[in-house]
Amino acid sequence: EDQVTQSPEALRLQEGESSSLNCSYTVSGLRGLFWYRQDPGKGPEFLFTLYSAGEEKEKERLKATLTKKESFLHITAPKPEDSATYLCAVQAGGTYKYIFGTGTRLKVLA
Amino acid sequence: KAGVTKTPRYLIKTRGQQVTLSCSPISGHRSVSWYQQTPGQGLQFLFEYFSETQRNKGNFPGRFSGRQFSNSRSEMNVSTLELGDSALYLCASSLALAGVYEQYFGPGTRLTVT
Repeated sequence: EDQVTQSPEALRLQEGESSSLNCSYTVSGLRGLFWYRQDPGKGPEFLFTLYSAGEEKEKERLKATLTKKESFLHITAPKPEDSATYLCAVQAGGTYKYIFGTGTRLKVLA
Repeated sequence: KAGVTKTPRYLIKTRGQQVTLSCSPISGHRSVSWYQQTPGQGLQFLFEYFSETQRNKGNFPGRFSGRQFSNSRSEMNVSTLELGDSALYLCASSLALAGVYEQYFGPGTRLTVT
């Protein structure tokens, strides 16, 4: 069964304290892995797409990496404005179906 | 800002009523997906429409239905509302062309059933 698991569920960091969020997946025929940021009460905001193992994408303080079993979202020197829920999703190759993880709630303290 | 738009942002309905939500995808996007989000369950996939056809469906009862029009706009209907249907409903659109599959979400509609 296609599945996405994110860890940790919640993470509190001091401003400037780098860390990584994990997204483990099992899917038949990965079409793409996606990272989103969601602020309370709003729709998820697209961050990255990763298509194949070894691929990396960067945007400001965020860097996403992909292996055959998991993806990491590395946050370097985070700021309070990086506080949000980060969602990971995969799209299955055969069905085109998107499967979302339950997210990691990140809180960055000033 | 151009993007996935959805009307309305907030809705209050009474148990037993029905509700219809609308979603206009980003121009050129052919796929529209609907999700239900609650604090306990996270993002739950309802269904996806691609070129006016339902391509995928989640595990929701038949009270939840949808459709897509020739201009790619989509509607979702929930009949006989229950208290448990209170949630944030999100739609997302995708270009859905080879190599371009990411979804873009609208702001969502907060539905409260009393």
